[in-house]
Amino acid sequence: GAVVSQHPSRVICKSGTSVKIECRSLDFQATTMFWYRQFPKQSLMLMATSNEGSKATYEQGVEKDKFLINHASLTLSTLTVTSAHPEDSSFYICSAPWGVRDTQYFGPGTRLTVL
Amino acid sequence: KNEVEQSPQNLTAQEGEFITINCSYSVGISALHWLQQHPGGGIVSLFMLSSGKKKHGRLIATINIQEKHSSLHITASHPRDSAVYICAVTPKRTHQFYFGTGTSLTVIP
Repeated sequence: GAVVSQHPSRVICKSGTSVKIECRSLDFQATTMFWYRQFPKQSLMLMATSNEGSKATYEQGVEKDKFLINHASLTLSTLTVTSAHPEDSSFYICSAPWGVRDTQYFGPGTRLTVL
Repeated sequence: KNEVEQSPQNLTAQEGEFITINCSYSVGISALHWLQQHPGGGIVSLFMLSSGKKKHGRLIATINIQEKHSSLHITASHPRDSAVYICAVTPKRTHQFYFGTGTSLTVIP
């Protein structure tokens, strides 16, 4: 089956720094990847759709200058949280569709803690 | 207003019980997904449905498009089924996902 990896799995950073999270499709190519955020005890929220070779599409209320997305290749999308603040602390997950029916394959997630 | 509603929010069952989790949605969809999230956070896609019924092992998912309703059933539940089960829909002509708030299932030995 298809595998999606994320790196790092956990990151702790100081307020004001930028953090980059990578999402890789390990055994398939993904022209589209999705980024989600999940606050404690809440469900997932779609942040943006990452498109290979073009600009990402952001959901309403998500600041594109705050959450920079780069989909530089067919197997890698990166999410950079710029000038992170404690309220950005969350669980960030990516997914990529694969297969005839575009089943979503999720990465294991990245837990970001901003001090 | 949430486009996707799940019930129950929390569910505790004895090992071996038959479990049903319900999902209702309010938008026209191209697909409905059932996801499983374990305590560590990892998410697995269980089913993607656009009509009818699907079965995978002890898991069964059904959808009624006219009634905008789906159910996830677990037969002969086991403690390893303990997880949060999330219903998500993809509205027509979009790549968006609307997620339910999840059902936290605990199966007691």
